[in-house]
Amino acid sequence: GNSVTQMEGPVTLSEEAFLTINCTYTATGYPSLFWYVQYPGEGLQLLLKATKADDKGSNKGFEATYRKETTSFHLEKGSVQVSDSAVYFCALSDAGNNRKLIWGLGTSLAVNP
Amino acid sequence: DSGVTQTPKHLITATGQRVTLRCSPRSGDLSVYWYQQSLDQGLQFLIQYYNGEERAKGNILERFSAQQFPDLHSELNLSSLELGDSALYFCASSVAAGGPTDTQYFGPGTRLTVL
Repeated sequence: GNSVTQMEGPVTLSEEAFLTINCTYTATGYPSLFWYVQYPGEGLQLLLKATKADDKGSNKGFEATYRKETTSFHLEKGSVQVSDSAVYFCALSDAGNNRKLIWGLGTSLAVNP
Repeated sequence: DSGVTQTPKHLITATGQRVTLRCSPRSGDLSVYWYQQSLDQGLQFLIQYYNGEERAKGNILERFSAQQFPDLHSELNLSSLELGDSALYFCASSVAAGGPTDTQYFGPGTRLTVL
């Protein structure tokens, strides 16, 4: 079945460091791919998405490119801030009719000043 | 603020009890999804409703049930609660039943603690 694998955390960085969080997927068909973020004590927020191969999603300085050849959707940011400290979830949307989200386990990011 | 509301924010109850979680989707959204987030299982899809009809089922226990009402709000009913049901329950909504550009927006969640 479809699945998402994320790099394990926690990830700890200093402010202004470069961030990469790896995400790979297994899916039949052509799923859409998402990154959601969960700030401490809050719900899930959509960070960015890509709906077809080679699409690049971007938001708030974060980027991820849908790579079908490597079945990956790695999240990157050039310069992280303390306010980026959160848990990041990679997810794919089933290519079937219901589009339920299948999730990675989440990667916790802590950014120190 | 995603526009999806969930009540209550916190719920503490005892084993064997029954609770109801409520979700109001964003204005104009017809689909509602329920997810469970627990420490051991991560985020798991439970069930989806579209315009009042059940659309898809995931890892939802038989003790759990849901419905979507004519005004499109949804309720998730959890009965015969066990300690392992303690989790964060999220509701999400989207415009349609699915499609490449259909995006799910999440509510703040209901934290259920079963003692």
